Amino acid sequence: AQKITQTQPGMFVQEKEAVTLDCTYDTSDQSYGLFWYKQPSSGEMIFLIYQGSYDEQNATEGRYSLNFQKARKSANLVISASQLGDSAMYFCAMREGFKAGTASKLTFGTGTRLQVTL
Amino acid sequence: EAGVAQSPRYKIIEKRQSVAFWCNPISGHATLYWYQQILGQGPKLLIQFQNNGVVDDSQLPKDRFSAERLKGVDSTLKIQPAKLEDSAVYLCASSLFRGFNEKLFFGSGTQLSVL
Repeated sequence: AQKITQTQPGMFVQEKEAVTLDCTYDTSDQSYGLFWYKQPSSGEMIFLIYQGSYDEQNATEGRYSLNFQKARKSANLVISASQLGDSAMYFCAMREGFKAGTASKLTFGTGTRLQVTL
Repeated sequence: EAGVAQSPRYKIIEKRQSVAFWCNPISGHATLYWYQQILGQGPKLLIQFQNNGVVDDSQLPKDRFSAERLKGVDSTLKIQPAKLEDSAVYLCASSLFRGFNEKLFFGSGTQLSVL
């Protein structure tokens, strides 16, 4: 079974509008972390935002917010006031299976390509 | 602060040839990862180092892929012999590792084309 599912291969949004990128996840762990990364055409993956499974508040980082619905196992990324520079691939990722003293694995979804238009 | 450095940026080889990729993580980062990203897919973890020890190499095709991290700093990923399906971007990442919320810092990757 897919750990991370991103059902939108591509999205378009007009400049200055808000856009939501969907992400659902699958885990039986109680403790886990959810991430969003941006990958522009240069190839480098850039960290955007993090949500812990026990965090009661939705995470926010500037124009980025994470709509965390634990019961639905969804962690959608909301980008407000889109800019042309937001055009990129966006990946949802999950870290689970954390054990003290070890590094745990980050699993990525297949990504959503966002195109911001004038 | 310097980022994660990777070289080469691009590499084209013929199948059955060998190839090596190099990664220099951010100074002080104990954890180093190699990911394989096939076109249209998300990155897939190949191997994870903690200092110079391997933490997870369960998805590394060990019959052809090898990796090392000498002195817990730089790392090299090698493919020998290469197959057509190895065409992908190979991403190196590093982190300090402090817990669930530890973010990874990625290099720009090496794009490998196997002909």
